Amino acid sequence: DAGVTQSPTHLIKTRGQHVTLRCSPISGHKSVSWYQQVLGQGPQFIFQYYEKEERGRGNFPDRFSARQFPNYSSELNVNALLLGDSALYLCASSQGQMNTEAFFGQGTRLTVV
Amino acid sequence: AQSVTQLDSQVPVFEEAPVELRCNYSSSVSVYLFWYVQYPNQGLQLLLKYLSGSTLVESINGFEAEFNKSQTSFHLRKPSVHISDTAEYFCAVSPSNSGGSNYKLTFGKGTLLTVNP
Repeated sequence: DAGVTQSPTHLIKTRGQHVTLRCSPISGHKSVSWYQQVLGQGPQFIFQYYEKEERGRGNFPDRFSARQFPNYSSELNVNALLLGDSALYLCASSQGQMNTEAFFGQGTRLTVV
Repeated sequence: AQSVTQLDSQVPVFEEAPVELRCNYSSSVSVYLFWYVQYPNQGLQLLLKYLSGSTLVESINGFEAEFNKSQTSFHLRKPSVHISDTAEYFCAVSPSNSGGSNYKLTFGKGTLLTVNP
């Protein structure tokens, strides 16, 4: 079975641009969460979606948005990129809303120049 | 709200030595506890978790952690480490109640375990 897949694996953007990151959860999992991991730090929670509805939002500006599709895949969008948005963006999937066992993808490494 | 403190940012040890990575947490609600491992340029892998029951939990590769409610700790231990255990280790908590609150994972800052020959 495929694990959590994220695309792209790496990308470089310029300040002010927009970026879309994609995540496909494990088959049968209905919850997708997004985390930002800045170099040298632990992951920080951005969003959780469960059954296509936003169920939690972290302390991130409105430039960050996300959605979940009927097949439970998800997109994370970031507008007006700043240098500080450079990070590893991780997607996690779990069966239910509660995180009894969350599985992470390999992440998308975003570099803003 | 929850917070996680990993007391050591780096832990260097020699191969076959024992190791303990410390984790303390703070929470106003009951929580589940996790240890994740991250190898360079990779995502996070679940190492072990405490949901309920026995306070001592074990992983398949020899790590164990003990939940201590009175000390709000969940330290990770291994009696004999290998070179391949070199990685970043993250302690995390998530609310365990079903009151409709945010079920996010809250992570510590990580401990870099370096196993030297």
